[in-house]
Amino acid sequence: KAGVTQTPRYLIKTRGQQVTLSCSPISGHRSVSWYQQTPGQGLQFLFEYFSETQRNKGNFPGRFSGRQFSNSRSEMNVSTLELGDSALYLCASSLVGPRTDTQYFGPGTRLTVL
Amino acid sequence: AQTVTQSQPEMSVQEAETVTLSCTYDTSESNYYLFWYKQPPSRQMILVIRQEAYKQQNATENRFSVNFQKAAKSFSLKISDSQLGDTAMYFCAFTPETSYDKVIFGPGTSLSVIP
Repeated sequence: KAGVTQTPRYLIKTRGQQVTLSCSPISGHRSVSWYQQTPGQGLQFLFEYFSETQRNKGNFPGRFSGRQFSNSRSEMNVSTLELGDSALYLCASSLVGPRTDTQYFGPGTRLTVL
Repeated sequence: AQTVTQSQPEMSVQEAETVTLSCTYDTSESNYYLFWYKQPPSRQMILVIRQEAYKQQNATENRFSVNFQKAAKSFSLKISDSQLGDTAMYFCAFTPETSYDKVIFGPGTSLSVIP
């Protein structure tokens, strides 16, 4: 079974631009979570989707948004990029949710904002 | 605020020895789920072990076991017979029951296994 895939793996953008990251979960998994990982702030929860519905959202500004499609694939969007948005963005999937099921992580998308 | 603290930013252990990683958390809820995740260098994060707060028995997965002390809000990870492949960043995390599937991570402990 294929693992969680994230595209692109690396991205360089400039301040003020917008970016869309994609995540394909493991087949059959309906829950997708997004995390931001930085050296200073560590791993922070962005949001979690289940069956196209956002069930939970972390403490991030409205510039960060996401969505999930009917095939469980998910995208996250960051508008008006700031230097502080440079981070590794991790996506993780599980059958129905990370509380009760094993959460599988993708390799991440490394975003650099110049 | 619901937080996770890992007081040991870095640790090292000799191969085949035992090491314990500390974790404390803060929550006012009575039920929640606790996790240890492992992130090897340049590799993907994986779940090591999970514990449900209402279960008294400490979880065990092969060489990995936890010491869950609910009253003290402590959740330490013990790695027995350490192997070189255990070298990784270890994150303690928890999900309060009312924050449905929002996983809160600690800052991590970098563990090096020395041959």
